[in-house]
Amino acid sequence: DGGITQSPKYLFRKEGQNVTLSCEQNLNHDAMYWYRQDPGQGLRLIYYSQIVNDFQKGDIAEGYSVSREKKESFPLTVTSAQKNPTAFYLCASSIRLVYNEQFFGPGTRLTVL
Amino acid sequence: SQQGEEDPQALSIQEGENATMNCSYKTSINNLQWYRQNSGRGLVHLILIRSNEREKHSGRLRVTLDTSKKSSSLLITASRAADTASYFCATADSWGKFQFGAGTQVVVTP
Repeated sequence: DGGITQSPKYLFRKEGQNVTLSCEQNLNHDAMYWYRQDPGQGLRLIYYSQIVNDFQKGDIAEGYSVSREKKESFPLTVTSAQKNPTAFYLCASSIRLVYNEQFFGPGTRLTVL
Repeated sequence: SQQGEEDPQALSIQEGENATMNCSYKTSINNLQWYRQNSGRGLVHLILIRSNEREKHSGRLRVTLDTSKKSSSLLITASRAADTASYFCATADSWGKFQFGAGTQVVVTP
Protein backbone atom coordinates (compact mmCIF):
# COMPACT_ATOMS: atom_id res chain seq x y z
CA ASP A 1 0.00 0.00 0.00
CA GLY A 2 1.44 3.34 -1.04
CA GLY A 3 0.85 6.24 1.26
CA ILE A 4 1.96 8.56 3.99
CA THR A 5 1.84 7.55 7.62
CA GLN A 6 2.09 9.49 10.83
CA SER A 7 2.56 8.14 14.28
CA PRO A 8 1.32 8.19 16.89
CA LYS A 9 -2.29 9.25 16.30
CA TYR A 10 -2.56 10.78 19.77
CA LEU A 11 0.33 12.03 21.88
CA PHE A 12 0.36 13.45 25.38
CA ARG A 13 3.36 15.20 26.84
CA LYS A 14 4.18 17.25 29.89
CA GLU A 15 5.04 20.90 29.49
CA GLY A 16 8.75 21.46 28.97
CA GLN A 17 9.41 18.17 27.22
CA ASN A 18 10.55 17.87 23.63
CA VAL A 19 8.54 15.47 21.49
CA THR A 20 9.16 14.05 18.01
CA LEU A 21 6.37 13.31 15.56
CA SER A 22 7.00 10.72 12.90
CA CYS A 23 6.15 11.06 9.19
CA GLU A 24 6.99 8.40 6.60
CA GLN A 25 6.03 8.12 2.93
CA ASN A 26 6.60 5.36 0.41
CA LEU A 27 5.37 7.36 -2.58
CA ASN A 28 8.90 8.25 -3.71
CA HIS A 29 8.01 11.93 -3.37
CA ASP A 30 10.77 14.52 -3.23
CA ALA A 31 8.90 17.20 -1.27
CA MET A 32 7.53 16.89 2.26
CA TYR A 33 5.71 19.35 4.51
CA TRP A 34 4.62 19.85 8.10
CA TYR A 35 1.50 21.81 9.01
CA ARG A 36 -0.17 22.78 12.23
CA GLN A 37 -3.96 23.05 12.50
CA ASP A 38 -5.76 24.66 15.43
CA PRO A 39 -9.49 24.11 16.07
CA GLY A 40 -11.69 25.68 13.43
CA GLN A 41 -8.74 27.04 11.53
CA GLY A 42 -6.81 26.31 8.39
CA LEU A 43 -3.35 24.84 8.09
CA ARG A 44 -0.23 26.81 8.84
CA LEU A 45 3.07 25.75 7.33
CA ILE A 46 5.82 24.90 9.82
CA TYR A 47 8.61 23.51 7.64
CA TYR A 48 8.98 22.07 4.18
CA SER A 49 11.66 20.13 2.34
CA GLN A 50 12.09 19.77 -1.39
CA ILE A 51 14.93 17.26 -1.28
CA VAL A 52 16.97 15.16 1.11
CA ASN A 53 19.22 17.17 3.47
CA ASP A 54 17.42 20.40 2.63
CA PHE A 55 14.53 22.11 4.40
CA GLN A 56 13.06 25.58 4.68
CA LYS A 57 11.15 27.41 7.39
CA GLY A 58 7.48 28.03 6.85
CA ASP A 59 5.33 30.68 8.48
CA ILE A 60 5.51 29.38 12.06
CA ALA A 61 8.86 27.58 12.44
CA GLU A 62 9.76 29.00 15.85
CA GLY A 63 9.89 26.28 18.50
CA TYR A 64 10.04 23.46 15.95
CA SER A 65 12.87 21.58 14.26
CA VAL A 66 13.03 19.02 11.45
CA SER A 67 15.49 16.77 9.67
CA ARG A 68 15.45 15.13 6.25
CA GLU A 69 18.16 12.47 6.28
CA LYS A 70 16.15 10.03 4.17
CA LYS A 71 13.80 10.69 1.27
CA GLU A 72 10.96 8.81 2.91
CA SER A 73 11.18 10.35 6.37
CA PHE A 74 10.61 13.89 7.69
CA PRO A 75 10.32 13.90 11.50
CA LEU A 76 9.18 17.01 13.36
CA THR A 77 10.41 17.85 16.85
CA VAL A 78 8.24 20.11 18.96
CA THR A 79 10.63 21.70 21.43
CA SER A 80 9.98 23.20 24.84
CA ALA A 81 10.46 26.61 23.20
CA GLN A 82 7.12 26.27 21.39
CA LYS A 83 4.81 28.31 23.59
CA ASN A 84 1.51 26.69 22.64
CA PRO A 85 2.21 23.24 21.19
CA THR A 86 -1.20 21.63 21.68
CA ALA A 87 -2.58 21.21 18.15
CA PHE A 88 -3.28 18.80 15.30
CA TYR A 89 -0.14 18.21 13.21
CA LEU A 90 -0.36 17.13 9.58
CA CYS A 91 2.42 15.87 7.37
CA ALA A 92 2.16 15.91 3.58
CA SER A 93 4.25 15.01 0.57
CA SER A 94 4.22 15.82 -3.13
CA ILE A 95 6.14 14.61 -6.19
CA ARG A 96 7.95 17.93 -6.38
CA LEU A 97 7.58 21.32 -4.83
CA VAL A 98 5.03 23.76 -6.32
CA TYR A 99 3.47 21.99 -9.26
CA ASN A 100 1.74 19.01 -7.71
CA GLU A 101 -0.97 18.03 -5.35
CA GLN A 102 -0.10 17.20 -1.78
CA PHE A 103 -0.90 13.86 -0.17
CA PHE A 104 -1.65 14.08 3.53
CA GLY A 105 -1.12 11.72 6.40
CA PRO A 106 -3.87 11.07 8.98
CA GLY A 107 -2.39 13.55 11.48
CA THR A 108 -1.11 13.47 15.05
CA ARG A 109 -3.06 15.19 17.79
CA LEU A 110 -0.57 16.50 20.36
CA THR A 111 -1.76 17.54 23.79
CA VAL A 112 0.64 19.15 26.21
CA LEU A 113 -0.48 18.91 29.81
CA SER B 1 -1.05 35.49 7.81
CA GLN B 2 -3.04 33.18 5.58
CA GLN B 3 -2.98 33.70 1.84
CA GLY B 4 -6.36 32.24 1.02
CA GLU B 5 -9.58 33.36 2.62
CA GLU B 6 -12.65 31.24 2.10
CA ASP B 7 -16.16 32.55 2.04
CA PRO B 8 -18.54 31.64 3.56
CA GLN B 9 -17.08 30.25 6.78
CA ALA B 10 -19.97 27.81 7.04
CA LEU B 11 -22.64 26.53 4.69
CA SER B 12 -25.66 24.37 5.43
CA ILE B 13 -27.63 22.85 2.53
CA GLN B 14 -29.95 19.95 1.77
CA GLU B 15 -29.07 16.93 -0.29
CA GLY B 16 -29.44 17.60 -3.99
CA GLU B 17 -28.66 21.31 -3.73
CA ASN B 18 -25.51 22.90 -5.08
CA ALA B 19 -22.82 24.27 -2.76
CA THR B 20 -20.61 27.16 -3.78
CA MET B 21 -17.66 28.49 -1.85
CA ASN B 22 -15.14 31.15 -2.72
CA CYS B 23 -11.47 31.73 -2.08
CA SER B 24 -9.59 35.00 -2.35
CA TYR B 25 -5.84 35.38 -2.21
CA LYS B 26 -3.35 38.21 -2.13
CA THR B 27 -0.18 37.46 -4.09
CA SER B 28 0.80 35.88 -7.39
CA ILE B 29 0.36 32.15 -7.60
CA ASN B 30 1.59 29.24 -9.68
CA ASN B 31 -1.51 27.17 -8.96
CA LEU B 32 -4.48 26.95 -6.62
CA GLN B 33 -5.74 23.73 -5.10
CA TRP B 34 -8.87 22.67 -3.27
CA TYR B 35 -8.84 20.07 -0.50
CA ARG B 36 -11.45 18.39 1.64
CA GLN B 37 -11.09 17.42 5.28
CA ASN B 38 -13.43 15.19 7.23
CA SER B 39 -13.47 15.91 10.95
CA GLY B 40 -10.20 14.97 12.66
CA ARG B 41 -8.65 13.49 9.53
CA GLY B 42 -6.01 14.41 7.00
CA LEU B 43 -6.81 16.43 3.90
CA VAL B 44 -7.75 14.90 0.58
CA HIS B 45 -6.84 16.65 -2.66
CA LEU B 46 -9.82 17.49 -4.89
CA ILE B 47 -8.60 19.55 -7.79
CA LEU B 48 -5.65 21.68 -8.95
CA ILE B 49 -6.03 24.62 -11.29
CA ARG B 50 -3.01 26.35 -12.77
CA SER B 51 -2.67 30.11 -13.07
CA ASN B 52 -3.17 29.98 -16.85
CA GLU B 53 -6.42 27.99 -16.55
CA ARG B 54 -9.85 29.49 -16.00
CA GLU B 55 -12.07 26.50 -15.27
CA LYS B 56 -11.71 22.85 -14.41
CA HIS B 57 -14.14 20.02 -13.79
CA SER B 58 -13.85 16.77 -11.90
CA GLY B 59 -17.01 14.72 -11.46
CA ARG B 60 -19.48 16.87 -9.52
CA LEU B 61 -16.84 19.52 -8.84
CA ARG B 62 -16.30 22.67 -10.84
CA VAL B 63 -13.51 25.11 -10.05
CA THR B 64 -13.00 28.53 -11.57
CA LEU B 65 -10.02 30.83 -11.26
CA ASP B 66 -9.93 34.57 -11.93
CA THR B 67 -6.35 35.77 -11.54
CA SER B 68 -7.31 39.39 -12.23
CA LYS B 69 -9.55 39.32 -9.16
CA LYS B 70 -7.29 36.89 -7.28
CA SER B 71 -10.21 34.62 -6.56
CA SER B 72 -11.42 31.09 -7.10
CA SER B 73 -14.67 29.29 -6.56
CA LEU B 74 -15.56 25.66 -5.90
CA LEU B 75 -18.99 24.39 -6.89
CA ILE B 76 -20.27 21.02 -5.72
CA THR B 77 -23.33 20.02 -7.71
CA ALA B 78 -26.11 17.72 -6.48
CA SER B 79 -24.62 17.51 -3.00
CA ARG B 80 -24.81 14.36 -0.89
CA ALA B 81 -24.62 13.79 2.87
CA ALA B 82 -21.14 12.34 2.28
CA ASP B 83 -20.00 15.78 1.05
CA THR B 84 -20.24 17.05 4.64
CA ALA B 85 -16.69 18.24 5.41
CA SER B 86 -14.47 21.29 5.58
CA TYR B 87 -13.14 22.57 2.27
CA PHE B 88 -9.87 24.46 1.98
CA CYS B 89 -8.20 26.33 -0.82
CA ALA B 90 -4.42 26.40 -0.98
CA THR B 91 -2.18 28.56 -3.10
CA ALA B 92 1.30 27.67 -4.29
CA ASP B 93 3.74 30.34 -5.40
CA SER B 94 6.64 29.78 -7.78
CA TRP B 95 9.05 29.16 -4.92
CA GLY B 96 7.10 26.24 -3.53
CA LYS B 97 5.42 27.94 -0.63
CA PHE B 98 1.94 26.61 0.09
CA GLN B 99 -0.60 28.60 2.05
CA PHE B 100 -4.02 27.39 3.13
CA GLY B 101 -7.12 29.36 3.91
CA ALA B 102 -9.24 28.93 7.04
CA GLY B 103 -11.77 26.74 5.26
CA THR B 104 -15.51 26.51 4.65
CA GLN B 105 -17.49 24.05 6.78
CA VAL B 106 -20.18 22.41 4.68
CA VAL B 107 -23.04 20.47 6.22
CA VAL B 108 -25.34 18.54 3.89
CA THR B 109 -28.53 17.29 5.51
CA PRO B 110 -30.52 14.37 4.07
